[in-house]
Amino acid sequence: DADVTQTPRNRITKTGKRIMLECSQTKGHDRMYWYRQDPGLGLRLIYYSFDVKDINKGEISDGYSVSRQAQAKFSLSLESAIPNQTALYFCATSDPDYYNEQFFGPGTRLTVL
Amino acid sequence: EDQVTQSPEALRLQEGESSSLNCSYTVSGLRGLFWYRQDPGKGPEFLFTLYSAGEEKEKERLKATLTKKESFLHITAPKPEDSATYLCAVPIPTSGTYKYIFGTGTRLKVLA
Repeated sequence: DADVTQTPRNRITKTGKRIMLECSQTKGHDRMYWYRQDPGLGLRLIYYSFDVKDINKGEISDGYSVSRQAQAKFSLSLESAIPNQTALYFCATSDPDYYNEQFFGPGTRLTVL
Repeated sequence: EDQVTQSPEALRLQEGESSSLNCSYTVSGLRGLFWYRQDPGKGPEFLFTLYSAGEEKEKERLKATLTKKESFLHITAPKPEDSATYLCAVPIPTSGTYKYIFGTGTRLKVLA
């Protein structure tokens, strides 16, 4: 079984709808991240969490919110989706020690019409 | 401003044709540089971490090197299965902790 899972894998929605993307991990890592990937822009950090009570904004948090329900679960919500939020979304985890590699989920392809 | 730049944006090689990918960075006090491989429709997969200038790491046909300004990913005698996007990333300090900045990647295509 994969260490980092994301649901759904694909989603098509309409402008104004609320969407939740979910991430679960079995690696036992405290640190979790949400990124979006757009062609030509690379991976950009939306939110990150270093434990259940610690949530921080990344460089592009506007229009997004997150919830860390447990050490293993980190959800990303789009309260009112808009077309420019169409992208590939990745969840990642890392070991709590500094400067360790990240482990990524398989991604969610989100299309907002 | 902390920045990570990768070049070339795309690279096409014949099978067996060796080449190098570049990752240049401008960060104050490098704390590590990470290389990832990303296949289409999948999440990035960790390849290497380099922590100090002069360090080198190898894995099969891949060799990563690091200087004070840039890192190279050398691909020796590539095979079609090496086709992927290669990403580099560096951690930067922020608000008493750190986060990662990623380059935009190099899309490698190896032709049989």
